[in-house]
Order: sequence, then structure tokens, then C-alpha cells
Amino acid sequence: DQQVKQNSPSLSVQEGRISILNCDYTNSMFDYFLWYKKYPAEGPTFLISISSIKDKNEDGRFTVFLNKSAKHLSLHIVPSQPGDSAVYFCAASAYTGKLIFGQGTTLQVKP
Amino acid sequence: KAGVTQTPRYLIKTRGQQVTLSCSPISGHRSVSWYQQTPGQGLQFLFEYFSETQRNKGNFPGRFSGRQFSNSRSEMNVSTLELGDSALYLCASSLAGTPSTDTQYFGPGTRLTVL
Repeated sequence: DQQVKQNSPSLSVQEGRISILNCDYTNSMFDYFLWYKKYPAEGPTFLISISSIKDKNEDGRFTVFLNKSAKHLSLHIVPSQPGDSAVYFCAASAYTGKLIFGQGTTLQVKP
Repeated sequence: KAGVTQTPRYLIKTRGQQVTLSCSPISGHRSVSWYQQTPGQGLQFLFEYFSETQRNKGNFPGRFSGRQFSNSRSEMNVSTLELGDSALYLCASSLAGTPSTDTQYFGPGTRLTVL
């Protein structure tokens, strides 16, 4: 039972344009959501997070939007840069130390 | 400050063998979580240890076990290896294991190949 789903395995975007990565979840008990970025041969690194009491959180070029009624969150990267090319994982938590991850979306930003 | 370290980085085993993976958390971190990453499945939660106690467990068979020592270092053991256990095993550490208040930092992972 995949509680967190990233339905797009890959995304290709031109440098300077917006990248939008999507994530859906099924468990209404999730109260905290995170995005991690992963480069090959490295562990995932934390990017940005959002609490369920908010609908938007911004950090520089990265913005996460949360739509609780649709159980959907998205990560916007503006403007996209070639160094953003990586695998992006969304994750959700229901208070405990357990993170539930999606399958990941591979972003390629073309120069 | 040193990051999360995992040893070994690469491992090749044969079916039926057992394996032990090690994780050293960031200094001061008391929570260590383990994840399995396979293509198409993302990161799947194995278990979390906090102060030497298993606090959370994922949906993996009993062949997967772990422990945490008093210095917060953690080991993960897989017995009777199967081909499907081939994966990247990641550990993550955090101060107290509460995602809403403290970040989980991941190590580079151990790539296990079962032949």
C-alpha cells in the first residue's frame, strides 16, 4: 500500500523555466511533509518542508504547496538550474520518527 | 561536524548468507532510521532506533533486524539473504527523530548486491 505516490518518474525542463514536481498521499493522519533531493552515489539531502497547518512554504527558488483537501503537494523550482538535476523524493510523517517516501521523480534541467 | 557515515559502502553476498551494515550518526544525534531504496519503490522505512530502543518498525520480514549501541551507532542485520534484498540501504540520523522539529540527515548508503 503506497501511501505516498509520485506518479511522474521523470521530468525534463529547460534551464530558467519552472519545474513542478507533484506528490499525492492517502493517509489523512500525515501532518508534516518534506522534499529531499538525491544525487547519484550520495544520500538524500533535505530541501524544504511544510506543516499541515500551512498551504505554502518558500525558501529561495523552492516553494512547496500543500492542498490538504486534495491530499496533494507540489514542489516548484523557479528558475530551474542545471545543478538542480537530481532525483526528488517527497516524504510524509505522522508525528513519529517514521518518514514515508514516494518513489521519486528524476528531474533533468537542460542548459 | 562529521556527517552520517555508513560502512561498508559496497557489499556482494550470495543467497542464504547474512550481512551486517553499520551506521555512525552525527555527533549528538540519538535517533537512527534505516531505509531500503530499490528502483521504482523509492525509500522504504525499515526501522528507527532511539536511545538503544526500537521505536518504529516498517513492514519488512523478521530477517531484517537492527540494534543501537549506547554511543548511538547502529547496525542492521539481514539474515538468509534473498536476491530481492539487493538494494541501497540508507541510514539517517536526527536529534530526536521528530520530523516536524528536527531534520533527518542521510548517509551515503551501503550498496548490497545479492548473487
